[in-house]
Amino acid sequence: DTGVSQDPRHKITKRGQNVTFRCDPISEHNRLYWYRQTLGQGPEFLTYFQNEAQLEKSRLLSDRFSAERPKGSFSTLEIQRTEQGDSAMYLCASSLGAGGLAGAYEQYFGPGTRLTVT
Amino acid sequence: AQSVAQPEDQVNVAEGNPLTVKCTYSVSGNPYLFWYVQYPNRGLQFLLKYITGDNLVKGSYGFEAEFNKSQTSFHLKKPSALVSDSALYFCAVSLRNNRLAFGKGNQVVVIP
Repeated sequence: DTGVSQDPRHKITKRGQNVTFRCDPISEHNRLYWYRQTLGQGPEFLTYFQNEAQLEKSRLLSDRFSAERPKGSFSTLEIQRTEQGDSAMYLCASSLGAGGLAGAYEQYFGPGTRLTVT
Repeated sequence: AQSVAQPEDQVNVAEGNPLTVKCTYSVSGNPYLFWYVQYPNRGLQFLLKYITGDNLVKGSYGFEAEFNKSQTSFHLKKPSALVSDSALYFCAVSLRNNRLAFGKGNQVVVIP
């Protein structure tokens, strides 16, 4: 399977702990996105990378959140000092595209990492 | 704010009947519009998109969608629904830098 993969699929942690999620995009895709989805809602944009550069961060991404994409391949999303409000499904997506027509390319999503903060 | 709206929470349809899932958008300029489907415990799957050209776009699994600029709508349709089409459907619009803004989703229930 050459789709987007995410690890772990489920994570249960205690409030205050740090967690890190990994995303492996489709290999030829230069863009990588992180979204967060809570029950009954559509995914909300968090941040995205073009190759290794992080080009945009949502205001939803507090200082406790950090994302990296070293070497423009896989990406990690770290949440420090987790709070119960961080409980959600964290989705990663990748796509082709650059420049003005980048929005025309569909994004391919991974299965998500479900985070539960107790 | 630029966004999409999916006015119905749930759509119930009998197997074999036509299925329509509604979406309206509010963006400046020419929109790039997408439909995704989400099955339980699985990620979102791309169904189809409208970029430009023919207002009727065809996608995966027999789905199609019609772009209507005057009504700012992009409704998803399937002529004959299957039980296996029961899932959560999301409409999305591509904003600057290709970030997607999603609607809240519609649960589709196809009744055997």
